Amino acid sequence: NAGVMQNPRHLVRRRGQEARLRCSPMKGHSHVYWYRQLPEEGLKFMVYLQKENIIDESGMPKERFSAEFPKEGPSILRIQQVVRGDSAAYFCASSQGLDNEQFFGPGTRLTVL
Amino acid sequence: AQSVTQLGSHVSVSEGALVLLRCNYSSSVPPYLFWYVQYPNQGLQLLLKYTTGATLVKGINGFEAEFKKSETSFHLTKPSAHMSDAAEYFCAVSLPQGGSEKLVFGKGTKLTVNP
Repeated sequence: NAGVMQNPRHLVRRRGQEARLRCSPMKGHSHVYWYRQLPEEGLKFMVYLQKENIIDESGMPKERFSAEFPKEGPSILRIQQVVRGDSAAYFCASSQGLDNEQFFGPGTRLTVL
Repeated sequence: AQSVTQLGSHVSVSEGALVLLRCNYSSSVPPYLFWYVQYPNQGLQLLLKYTTGATLVKGINGFEAEFKKSETSFHLTKPSAHMSDAAEYFCAVSLPQGGSEKLVFGKGTKLTVNP
């Protein structure tokens, strides 16, 4: 059973470009969480999704950031018009549901030039 | 709102020595508590978790943690450090039955193990 997959592992963008980060949850998992890790910081919650629904987006910046988890395919975290402050590691986690362990992917390291 | 404080951003121990990583939390209701380990350029791996029941929790790789409600603490220990334990460790909390089991993390503690 493959773990949580994230791609790309490394992404370089110039200021103003768009970044798309993909997360394929573990087989059988319908809950996805996105976290951001800034240098020398712990992980910060961004958004929690179930298939086709955003359940909790209390950690998402109000502008430029969006997330989806379609019925088919991976979850996507989209950052429009990236700025240098968006440079971070973005981690996805999946679970079977509430009260179940979250399994983390290896992360996508975004660098904005 | 919940919060997590990890005392000591860096801890250094000798191989074979006791490992003690400190974690204190703040929560309005009894939380679920977790310790994760992160190796360089990798994701997080769950070491152990406390939900309910026995307050001393045993995890993988010989680690254990004790939930002390009166001290709002969940310190991580291992009797004898191994070189392979060198990594970054994160304490986290979540609220059970909150409808969104988002994890709130501490800032992490980097453990160095000296030969």
